[in-house]
Amino acid sequence: AQKVTQAQTEISVVEKEDVTLDCVYETRDTTYYLFWYKQPPSGELVFLIRRNSFDEQNEISGRYSWNFQKSTSSFNFTITASQVVDSAVYFCALSEAFTGGGNKLTFGTGTQLKVEL
Amino acid sequence: EPEVTQTPSHQVTQMGQEVILRCVPISNHLYFYWYRQILGQKVEFLVSFYNNEISEKSEIFDDQFSVERPDGSNFTLKIRSTKLEDSAMYFCASWGRDTGELFFGEGSRLTVL
Repeated sequence: AQKVTQAQTEISVVEKEDVTLDCVYETRDTTYYLFWYKQPPSGELVFLIRRNSFDEQNEISGRYSWNFQKSTSSFNFTITASQVVDSAVYFCALSEAFTGGGNKLTFGTGTQLKVEL
Repeated sequence: EPEVTQTPSHQVTQMGQEVILRCVPISNHLYFYWYRQILGQKVEFLVSFYNNEISEKSEIFDDQFSVERPDGSNFTLKIRSTKLEDSAMYFCASWGRDTGELFFGEGSRLTVL
């Protein structure tokens, strides 16, 4: 069975601080995908990144970066120079490789990030 | 940018009533999903749908739930007789093999009184 653990329930930072959101996953699959989604107070799920299990390169997109480490089954997300608009719940998710059933995602419980002035 | 649209954005219903939530997936996508998020909790998979049939469903998706793609564009989730615990945000999603991205709609909030 697949499992995603986001141990940090809530994080509060002051604007311009860097913050890292942790994600640890469990799966028996050798091929899988990892995702991060942002859920702002308005409630929608905003796609941030998708990473497959064969690609361990770190990725940077503007102020966002992701660190994928297969050895520790972790896919952590860092926001550099945080801003108030980053305040949201962030979900990490895992899916098995496409088998014909598409991408069924298993979500973590989310981390509520509050960025204050 | 392509998007998944859902209606209604919010529905309030009485316990025992039938509810239909509607979704228009992205036009060239073939895989469709419903997920549920009870307030303050994580997002949970309900059902996936491909080639006009259910490909997988979770234990949450019991006989009270059904899905349909009635006309080639809409994808609906029906709850036959709502219970208080069905109150949640319901997200529709569609998946395209070309990008591999799972696109979510903005959600339909269901409140059962």
